[in-house]
Amino acid sequence: KAGVTQTPRYLIKTRGQQVTLSCSPISGHRSVSWYQQTPGQGLQFLFEYFSETQRNKGNFPGRFSGRQFSNSRSEMNVSTLELGDSALYLCASSDSDHTGELFFGEGSRLTVL
Amino acid sequence: GQNIDQPTEMTATEGAIVQINCTYQTSGFNGLFWYQQHAGEAPTFLSYNVLDGLEEKGRFSSFLSRSKGYSYLLLKELQMKDSASYLCAVADGYQLTFGKGTKLSVIP
Repeated sequence: KAGVTQTPRYLIKTRGQQVTLSCSPISGHRSVSWYQQTPGQGLQFLFEYFSETQRNKGNFPGRFSGRQFSNSRSEMNVSTLELGDSALYLCASSDSDHTGELFFGEGSRLTVL
Repeated sequence: GQNIDQPTEMTATEGAIVQINCTYQTSGFNGLFWYQQHAGEAPTFLSYNVLDGLEEKGRFSSFLSRSKGYSYLLLKELQMKDSASYLCAVADGYQLTFGKGTKLSVIP
């Protein structure tokens, strides 16, 4: 069974640009969560989707948004990038309709210059 | 609010036992997870506790006390490959709230 796949793995953007990150969950998993990981703050929850519905959202500004498609694939978008958005963005999927074990992808490392 | 505390760094000797503590104060609780993350890699699941007590899985054990808001991860017979960050996470609703992680260094 293929794991969680995130693309792109690495990307460099400049301030003010926007970025879209993609996540393909493990086949059969309907829940997808997104996290931002930085050395200072650790893993911080962005949002969680289940069957195309956002069920929970973390404390991030509205520049951070996401969506989930009918095949459970998910995307997150960050608009008007700031230097502080440089981080590893991790996607995780779960086969549970409540909070269960998360299977993480390798992440997308975003650098904002 | 959510608050999860764990030590930032720990060092232990190969073959020894190490205990990584985690205390939490969260608005809700649906269970506590421990994850392992090697540098440059994705976090991987280690254990899950929802009831008080000890869960043992090979060299790794995890303990939970809900009344005290406390958990620990016990690693026995440490190996060099156990050098990693260990993340404590509390399930609350549809999200996991993570601590900042404990970086464990295993030395010969």
